[in-house]
Amino acid sequence: GNSVTQMEGPVTLSEEAFLTINCTYTATGYPSLFWYVQYPGEGLQLLLKATKADDKGSNKGFEATYRKETTSFHLEKGSVQVSDSAVYFCALSSTGNQFYFGTGTSLTVIP
Amino acid sequence: ETGVTQSPTHLIKTRGQQVTLRCSSQSGHNTVSWYQQALGQGPQFIFQYYREEENGRGNFPPRFSGLQFPNYSSELNVNALELDDSALYLCASSLAAYLNYGYTFGSGTRLTVV
Repeated sequence: GNSVTQMEGPVTLSEEAFLTINCTYTATGYPSLFWYVQYPGEGLQLLLKATKADDKGSNKGFEATYRKETTSFHLEKGSVQVSDSAVYFCALSSTGNQFYFGTGTSLTVIP
Repeated sequence: ETGVTQSPTHLIKTRGQQVTLRCSSQSGHNTVSWYQQALGQGPQFIFQYYREEENGRGNFPPRFSGLQFPNYSSELNVNALELDDSALYLCASSLAAYLNYGYTFGSGTRLTVV
């Protein structure tokens, strides 16, 4: 079956620290992988995506590489800002009509 | 270009009642999906509609039903509400041909069942 396992939070970092949020997956077929971000009181926003193995998705300084050999899609950012404080969800889609989300990782960045 | 809009934003219902949640998809998007997000959890797929037909369903009972209209807007109906139905309900739209490139999510409807 399809599932996503995310690093548990909450994660608290100082501004300008390096961020890694781990995500591993189990999937049938060849899934596309996504990171979504949810700010307090809001819906989910697509942060980045990768549709095939070895693709790197990037946006707003965040990056994640689709690693088929380790079934991973870890999210990284070199220098976090207070405005990055949010909940981050890793997700996959194999068939296109259903996304499977992880449980989310809460990130708080302190000045 | 407008995004996905959902109404109402908050709702309180009593156990056993019925509720209808509404969603207007992003302009040009013909596929709508509904997700349930319980507190502290990731979203769970309820179902998807494409061209007014259900196009996939998650592990939710039949008392969760939906509609998609010719203008691609959608409704989620939940009958016989239970306390565990309390959650954030998210609507998401996409172009059918680009489902694997991600959805556009609305801000959700927060449903509280008491």
